[in-house]
Amino acid sequence: NAGVTQTPKFQVLKTGQSMTLQCAQDMNHEYMSWYRQDPGMGLRLIHYSVGAGITDQGEVPNGYNVSRSTTEDFPLRLLSAAPSQTSVYFCASSPLGLGSGEQYFGPGTRLTVT
Amino acid sequence: DAKTTQPNSMESNEEEPVHLPCNHSTISGTDYIHWYRQLPSQGPEYVIHGLTSNVNNRMASLAIAEDRKSSTLILHRATLRDAAVYYCILRDVRGNSGGYQKVTFGTGTKLQVIP
Repeated sequence: NAGVTQTPKFQVLKTGQSMTLQCAQDMNHEYMSWYRQDPGMGLRLIHYSVGAGITDQGEVPNGYNVSRSTTEDFPLRLLSAAPSQTSVYFCASSPLGLGSGEQYFGPGTRLTVT
Repeated sequence: DAKTTQPNSMESNEEEPVHLPCNHSTISGTDYIHWYRQLPSQGPEYVIHGLTSNVNNRMASLAIAEDRKSSTLILHRATLRDAAVYYCILRDVRGNSGGYQKVTFGTGTKLQVIP
């Protein structure tokens, strides 16, 4: 199993550009989520999904869109990049249902918006 | 939502035990206590979790207070590779609950291991 994969690893955008951060998992997990981590800070939840076709907002959803058309993929779209979105983005997945809910994280995408 | 409180930083000498505390005074009966750690420039990785009883695995031990309002992650012999930020979080055991779906991380405890 590859676990949770994220692409790209690094990205530089100009203000106003749009892009999609890719996240995929091969563990058949129903739950997937996106976090951002600013320098020296903890992780903040952006959006999450409990299954294909179902998404919801986390703590800091503004400026981001998500969709979940398959169990495996959960892309994060930046609609019009702003310097405040400079951050490291982590995708995570976990099983749904009764259980401990251990989350598996991807390696992250480091995004710089100039 | 139940939140956790951890010290910002701790130091330990190499090869000595480390006890990382976490307070979660508003924990509910269906919350699991999870610990993750984040090595520099990496994503968080799962360390251990528990509900009521103390737990051991190859990485660490988790001691849970009898009233479940606090817990302690124990690294039995700290190595330089254990230098990381350690996060204590709560996650509801019921998969369809808001407490399961909206998992929040605080700023964690930065552990420095001194050679």
